[in-house]
Amino acid sequence: DTEVTQTPKHLVMGMTNKKSLKCEQHMGHRAMYWYKQKAKKPPELMFVYSYEKLSINESVPSRFSPECPNSSLLNLHLHALQPEDSALYLCASSPGGAGGREQYFGPGTRLTVT
Amino acid sequence: SQQGEEDPQALSIQEGENATMNCSYKTSINNLQWYRQNSGRGLVHLILIRSNEREKHSGRLRVTLDTSKKSSSLLITASRAADTASYFCAPHSGGGADGLTFGKGTHLIIQP
Repeated sequence: DTEVTQTPKHLVMGMTNKKSLKCEQHMGHRAMYWYKQKAKKPPELMFVYSYEKLSINESVPSRFSPECPNSSLLNLHLHALQPEDSALYLCASSPGGAGGREQYFGPGTRLTVT
Repeated sequence: SQQGEEDPQALSIQEGENATMNCSYKTSINNLQWYRQNSGRGLVHLILIRSNEREKHSGRLRVTLDTSKKSSSLLITASRAADTASYFCAPHSGGGADGLTFGKGTHLIIQP
């Protein structure tokens, strides 16, 4: 299985809602990532988990809360978002380890905040 | 990781022609990776070239790396409509599970 899956595909939420994005991989990868991509812009790194520990947080607002329950799962909990947070949220995984390895991306969750 | 800068930002060619896009970066790297993104979808890893490699092939793709000039090129031969996408390079200079920093990319359009 060489796939990263993300659910849901689309999400519409109000500014007072709490929702979660889910990402799953079964490739035995030890590093997982969240990226945010606004329309017509490149993806921007949000968080990196390495061996289930948060290793990089790119100064992301606290209304985004990542969680890595086990080596195959990555969640992004959303609370009190703003309309400008509407974007495509991409999850990725890589084997991890030294030297930097290729990343496998999921199809993304398209989030609209109303 | 550092950000690469892709050039040109947009490229339109006829189906069957070759497409070349370039990437420049600023500091020394462990490897450089190329990714493709079709409209509104996830990125797909194309090729990873290590700093001690000069050229790498994968199907219709050829990547070169010139560490003295801090640049890389991606050549797509015999282009097809399905190659229409944005292409990003990602120079990787950190160790371990660093995230990637993407430039604006090259938006390639293959005309039928």
